Amino acid sequence: QVQLVQSGAEVKKPGSSVKVSCKASGGTFSSYTISWVRQAPGQGLEWMGRIIPIFGTANYAQKFQGRVTITADESTSTAYMELSSLRSEDTAVYYCARETTVTTSDAFDIWGQGTMVTVSS
Amino acid sequence: EIVLTQSPGTLSLSPGERATLSCRASQSVSSSYLAWYQQKPGQAPRLLIYGASSRATGIPDRFSGSGSGTDFTLTISRLEPEDFAVYYCQQYGSSPYSFGQGTKLEIK
Repeated sequence: QVQLVQSGAEVKKPGSSVKVSCKASGGTFSSYTISWVRQAPGQGLEWMGRIIPIFGTANYAQKFQGRVTITADESTSTAYMELSSLRSEDTAVYYCARETTVTTSDAFDIWGQGTMVTVSS
Repeated sequence: EIVLTQSPGTLSLSPGERATLSCRASQSVSSSYLAWYQQKPGQAPRLLIYGASSRATGIPDRFSGSGSGTDFTLTISRLEPEDFAVYYCQQYGSSPYSFGQGTKLEIK
């Protein structure tokens, strides 16, 4: 049974950066694509970007271009999402999610448990 | 960017009733790459439907999806108490992926 296990909650100051991890257990990490989705308190879901670990290629939603970096380490089956220049509006739960494809696109069949990031002075 | 608009925003129904949720796209969704998710408070979303009409593993057959192009529907044939939640549609046919704003299904 494949699971995505994310790192713990973070509290950050405005202007700083946060890096959230997402470790896959079970399955073959190299055959997945990992996306990152966030959800502000009481709000809907917002796609941030995705990475194909076996190729190391990432693409991002324009809204986050220049502020977000998604990486992956195949040796540890872990994906990372780093968001910089944090502001209060970045306070949200951040999820990683899996697509079972590396060549096209697919729905998100498995999700991490979520990581709460709070941005506050 | 494809914008997805879900309706209604809130749907109030009783257990045993039929629920019909709508998702309209601002442009055609490639290859019917449209998914539906269910989210309960404090939980991650759960995949219900992919490819517009295929049920994900373990999803009861009271959930069904239909539609193509720009208009999609999620139907829950007979509501069970555990079905009351928020439902999101998502298109993954073109980048950037996008989600609808959600429909809250509440107990009447």
